[in-house]
Amino acid sequence: NAGVTQTPKFRILKIGQSMTLQCAQDMNHNYMYWYRQDPGMGLKLIYYSVGAGITDKGEVPNGYNVSRSTTEDFPLRLELAAPSQTSVYFCASSYSDRNTGELFFGEGSRLTVL
Amino acid sequence: QKEVEQDPGPLSVPEGAIVSLNCTYSNSAFQYFMWYRQYSRKGPELLMYTYSSGNKEDGRFTAQVDKSSKYISLFIRDSQPSDSATYLCASLSGGYNKLIFGAGTRLAVHP
Repeated sequence: NAGVTQTPKFRILKIGQSMTLQCAQDMNHNYMYWYRQDPGMGLKLIYYSVGAGITDKGEVPNGYNVSRSTTEDFPLRLELAAPSQTSVYFCASSYSDRNTGELFFGEGSRLTVL
Repeated sequence: QKEVEQDPGPLSVPEGAIVSLNCTYSNSAFQYFMWYRQYSRKGPELLMYTYSSGNKEDGRFTAQVDKSSKYISLFIRDSQPSDSATYLCASLSGGYNKLIFGAGTRLAVHP
C-alpha cells in the first residue's frame, strides 16, 4: 500500500498563476482532507470531503477549490496564487466508521509563491 | 483565543530525560484528543488518542487529559534521539474526523 500520495513535492509559482496539487489514496477511505501548515501555526483545514461528489469548506478555504470525482482522488486547485499561499500543504484521509481522529497524511507539497 | 494552544518550543533535552509536552484547549465540548508526531519534512502520524479525561499509556508514552482544567499532556519517558520531532496536539471538532491542531512543539533529544 502506498497510503496517501501527493504530487508535486515542491513547486514555485509566480503571483497570479494557477495550479493543482494532486492527492490520491489507496486505502478506500471515504473521508479526505486538505490542510496547510505554516511555521508556528499548526495545521489549518482548507477543505474536506466525506465521499465522491461531496465537499465542504474548512477553516481557511479562500483562494482554493476542490473536487472529488472518485473515492481515491482529491485534488486542490489554487487560482490566482498569492504570496499568502506560500505554505506546506498536506492531504490526509481517514476511515468513516472510526471516530478516533486518526488521519493518514501524505508527505506534503511545499509551495512558494513569488 | 485559539481553540487549541501549544507552546512551539523548541525544547531540547538530553537522552534519557523525561519530556513533558502540554496543550490547553478552550472548547468544553471537545471529547477526543490526539497527539501526532511529525518528523522533519514528513507528514504527521498519529501517536496516541484519548477520550475524555484520564491517562493512556503506550510503551514510553503517556497521554493525559484533565478536562476540569482543559489541559492535555504527553509524557515521554527515557527519551531517545529518535524522538526528536515536532509533536502536535489535536482535538476532534465536530464530525467527519475533522481536527483542530495546536501549533506543535519541536523537540530535540541530544545524545
